[in-house]
Amino acid sequence: SQELEQSPQSLIVQEGKNLTINCTSSKTLYGLYWYKQKYGEGLIFLMMLQKGGEEKSHEKITAKLDEKKQQSSLHITASQPSHAGIYLCGAEWTQGGSEKLVFGKGTKLTVNP
Amino acid sequence: NAGVTQTPKFQVLKTGQSMTLQCAQDMNHNSMYWYRQDPGMGLRLIYYSASEGTTDKGEVPNGYNVSRLNKREFSLRLESAAPSQTSVYFCASRYGTMDGYTFGSGTRLTVV
Repeated sequence: SQELEQSPQSLIVQEGKNLTINCTSSKTLYGLYWYKQKYGEGLIFLMMLQKGGEEKSHEKITAKLDEKKQQSSLHITASQPSHAGIYLCGAEWTQGGSEKLVFGKGTKLTVNP
Repeated sequence: NAGVTQTPKFQVLKTGQSMTLQCAQDMNHNSMYWYRQDPGMGLRLIYYSASEGTTDKGEVPNGYNVSRLNKREFSLRLESAAPSQTSVYFCASRYGTMDGYTFGSGTRLTVV
């Protein structure tokens, strides 16, 4: 969807480096979901953000939602080959929820050993 | 807890053949979804069922039909497969609005 943009489209980093993936919405976000997809597999839920300024972490992955609730970032610290995959954000644009999420096109992450 | 189960995992069809992709969830989720994933296109919604007994078109419904057989099962049917339907198909479900999706592991379909 053009209303939900992910950047960059692809990213190649050396193992041990930090990286950030962004998800930008043209509308206020009432829920922002991050998923990871390993090549050839299904999507795994990472984190959900709802409140402006909210930040959540799981192991070496931190996701933030900005105060205006229109942009989210996913930051990986000290990347490892196991972090490689496609990261997708999904948006909820209706307060209280809507019938379906809208997804970005994804960011393909490669981590070289 | 199996989550969302999709069958088959792989399928090759000839142009014009029909087939049904099966999806079942055991989490008592109300909503179910079918997406296709193509390189550079991200996830595109084909059809969804917000609750048992209802189905609605998504972004790319042409060439597909769906059936919400019961609360657990949501099938996707290709009546006359075309090469443009070569894709990876994902089923997903969730309990309610403001809940995240749980995805199946996907069906890789090739139409020759």
